[in-house]
Amino acid sequence: DQQVKQNSPSLSVQEGRISILNCDYTNSMFDYFLWYKKYPAEGPTFLISISSIKDKNEDGRFTVFLNKSAKHLSLHIVPSQPGDSAVYFCAAKEGNGSSNTGKLIFGQGTTLQVKP
Amino acid sequence: EAEVAQSPRYKITEKSQAVAFWCDPISGHATLYWYRQILGQGPELLVQFQDESVVDDSQLPKDRFSAERLKGVDSTLKIQPAELGDSAMYLCASSLGSGRWRETQYFGPGTRLLVL
Repeated sequence: DQQVKQNSPSLSVQEGRISILNCDYTNSMFDYFLWYKKYPAEGPTFLISISSIKDKNEDGRFTVFLNKSAKHLSLHIVPSQPGDSAVYFCAAKEGNGSSNTGKLIFGQGTTLQVKP
Repeated sequence: EAEVAQSPRYKITEKSQAVAFWCDPISGHATLYWYRQILGQGPELLVQFQDESVVDDSQLPKDRFSAERLKGVDSTLKIQPAELGDSAMYLCASSLGSGRWRETQYFGPGTRLLVL
């Protein structure tokens, strides 16, 4: 049962254009979402997050959008740069509660290639 | 900048042998996580510690895997005996608080395990 899904295994974009990475979730108890970037042979690096009380969060070239009704979030990178080429993971966690340990549930990842 | 340290970075072993991985979280971080990432998939939580106590080990194969964080600082993950299917990246992460609220987990570089 995949609670967090990234249905596009790969994405190729031209340098300078927008990259849009998508993520869907099924658990309505998720209330905090994160995006991580991972280069080969390295651990995931935190990129940006959003809580369920917001629908948009922006940090420089990176913007995350959350559509709670559709249980969908997306990461926009504008403009895309060759150094952005990596695997991007979407992750989600349940809200604070007595039985919640804060475990992150990850999607399968999307490999982004930005061509010069 | 504070980082999560892991060693070794790479480990090759034969099946039925014992292996151990070490993690030193960011100083002052109360919660430590061990994840396993199989190629093409997202990281999956194996075990979560808050200080020296196990908070979640529901996905840890306890017949062969063990983890400890004796003094609530660094941690060791052990596999004995290793099986071919254990080949994966083992990631350690830490977070400042209990992990239950909207806080970020920071990952180490990982240990790539190959079981022959």
